[in-house]
Amino acid sequence: EILMTQSPATLSVSPGERATLSCRASQNINDNLAWYQQKPGQAPRLLIFGAFNRAPDIPARFSGSGSGTDFTLTITSLQSEDFAVYYCQQYHTWPPVTFGQGTRLDIK
Amino acid sequence: QVQLVESGGGVVQPGGSLRLSCAASGFSLSAFGMHWLRQAPGKGLEWVAAISNDGNYKSYADSVKGRVTVSRDNSKNTLHLQVDSLRGEDTAIYYCAKDTSSWLRFFFDSWGQGILVTVSS
Repeated sequence: EILMTQSPATLSVSPGERATLSCRASQNINDNLAWYQQKPGQAPRLLIFGAFNRAPDIPARFSGSGSGTDFTLTITSLQSEDFAVYYCQQYHTWPPVTFGQGTRLDIK
Repeated sequence: QVQLVESGGGVVQPGGSLRLSCAASGFSLSAFGMHWLRQAPGKGLEWVAAISNDGNYKSYADSVKGRVTVSRDNSKNTLHLQVDSLRGEDTAIYYCAKDTSSWLRFFFDSWGQGILVTVSS
């Protein structure tokens, strides 16, 4: 089973600033990585797949990068609606697919 | 648009059973693989089960294998998850989620709102 590790656990950023979230896989997963956003009381929403492809209707301020074992989700010009928990997920090796433990993005 | 609506959750005693359902609309269910995932209170996401578009391939997480059965009825646009021998650690919000492919790519582009299952005596 591939272990996914996200850092930091909590990130405090001011609106309008940039947030950089990290995700590391315990082994090479090529670009088989997705990012999800989850707001309190809501289901997760797919943001990024294939490490850098934005899902439909996802704003351009969300971008993904990386390959192999190290990945980054960058959110530029943070909006109030972006404060949420973010999860990375590998789908290179399944079953099972595995998720990181999440990064909570808080308003500074 | 795609809509997934779970039902069938509730409070169940340890050792009991539950059948969750997911009603799909806004897309052709028969064209996509489907999954169940869960999230324990205050915790992260855990994939539980997958089923291919035609139901011929099924896969389960080790944590539920032997206690869970996923099924689908494409004619009724419905996905099911039968969970037996429930344990306290099965307490979670259960989500049905749509795969991006008829086979299975194992990432999820649409999710239901979730249904709470509480295992407690």
